[in-house]
Amino acid sequence: DIQMTQSPSSLSASVGDRVTITCRASQDIGNYLAWFQQRPGKAPKSLIHAASSLQVGVPTKFSASGSGTEFTLTISSLQPEDLATYYCQQYKTYPWTFGQGTKVEIK
Amino acid sequence: EVHLVESGGGVVQPGRSLRLSCAASGFTFDISAMHWVRQAPGKGLEWVASINLNSATIVYADSVKGRFTVSRDNAKNTLYLQMSSLSAEDTAFYYCAKDMAGQSFWGIDYWGQGSLVIVSS
Repeated sequence: DIQMTQSPSSLSASVGDRVTITCRASQDIGNYLAWFQQRPGKAPKSLIHAASSLQVGVPTKFSASGSGTEFTLTISSLQPEDLATYYCQQYKTYPWTFGQGTKVEIK
Repeated sequence: EVHLVESGGGVVQPGRSLRLSCAASGFTFDISAMHWVRQAPGKGLEWVASINLNSATIVYADSVKGRFTVSRDNAKNTLYLQMSSLSAEDTAFYYCAKDMAGQSFWGIDYWGQGSLVIVSS
C-alpha cells in the first residue's frame, strides 16, 4: 500500500498568515493527489484534485502543487473559518490511502 | 446542487449486520462512480469501497473484503453498503462520496454528511 505522510501533524498560526502543509507519498503517484478540509464536527469537503486543481467553489486562497512523491497545500491568508483538519489522499492505486491529517489552529 | 444523504446507521451488536443507504440528488447518479469512506471517532479517514457507474468495477479495502458489499440502484439514485460480521473496529462515521468520473475512478468531489455506526453489545 502507498503510505501518505503529512507534516506537520498540527500547526497554530495567526489570522492573515500564510500556511503550508506538506504531503509525501511512499512511491510515485504522479498527480493523483487530492486535498480535503474537515471542519470540527463536519463532513470532509473536497478542495483540490489532480494535485493542483481547485474544486468548484473553492476560494482561490487555497493553492496546491507537487507531483511524484511530494506535494503541498497552501492557504495564502489564514482566516478563522480555515480552522480544520486537512487531509491529503492518493488515488493512483488501490487501496486509496489518506495522510494522517494536519490540524490547523488559529492563534 | 449535489446532495448525498446517508441513512441506516445506529447501534448494532458485534457479529450482526447493517445496511447503509446514500440517497443522491443534484447530479446524474447513473453516470457517476461512488465511494464509501469511514472515520472512526477522533481518527483519520479510511477508504472502504468504490463502485463504478454500472457496478462492473467494485473494489474493497482489505479490512472489509468478504464482509461488506457495496451496490447501487441507479433507478432509485441510491448507493448501499451492506455490512456483516461487524466488530468494534467497524465503529465509525460512514461517508458516501461522489467521484468525478463514472466508468473509472478520478477522485472524490462531493461528500455526504455521514452516518454513525456503533458496534457494541
